[in-house]
Amino acid sequence: QSVLTQPPSASGTPGQRVTISCSGSSSNIGTNTVTWYQQLPGTAPKLLIYFDNQWPSGVPDRFSGSKSGASASLAISGLQSEDEATYYCATWDGSLNGWVFGGGTKLTVL
Amino acid sequence: QVQLVQSGAEVKKPGASVRVSCKASGYTFTSYDINWVRQATGQGLEWMGWMNPYSGTSGFAQKFQGRVTMTRNTSMNTAYMELSSLRSEDTAVYYCARSFRGGSMGDYWGQGALVTVSS
Repeated sequence: QSVLTQPPSASGTPGQRVTISCSGSSSNIGTNTVTWYQQLPGTAPKLLIYFDNQWPSGVPDRFSGSKSGASASLAISGLQSEDEATYYCATWDGSLNGWVFGGGTKLTVL
Repeated sequence: QVQLVQSGAEVKKPGASVRVSCKASGYTFTSYDINWVRQATGQGLEWMGWMNPYSGTSGFAQKFQGRVTMTRNTSMNTAYMELSSLRSEDTAVYYCARSFRGGSMGDYWGQGALVTVSS
């Protein structure tokens, strides 16, 4: 059971916009910034979004992050086949004194 | 370029210990914390703890307290994670990941090291 709650799956067709949610609490998302990772099968996670909505260099602006209260979202616009991956949200939890992850959302591009 | 290169796969028996290394290059090793994250097959990511390579200070997830040790060798720019009293549930890929900018985690990751615990 993950501390952060994500839908297990999401899907969309090429060119569509898809949103993945991440729900937490006041001890984690409510007070700390959210990071998003993309993980392709058999590879290490890749940083996608940090500080709720900032892009590391090299990440296209088709990916965007937002946060409201104790929930966050990752939006992917102009969906492409290479976006098919599992996406994880993460943040620091002040009560647990450690990083916590969502369970991951497997995105399928139909 | 920044790289984190981890040691290879390990097979251990229940009750044994395993040590995974993470060699950093392309940046000042002592300037960024190293985190350890594991992932069982088909499962999600689980944070284990962090270590400050400059001071050697570390912090662990409650679940691993007493079973995990994180150390470093600054002359070799290498961080180590040792997990003891291994059980089958510890079978997973273990990743190291660098912290950056105000404590965010994972701008760079190691390639992962598979640890298999089996009798």
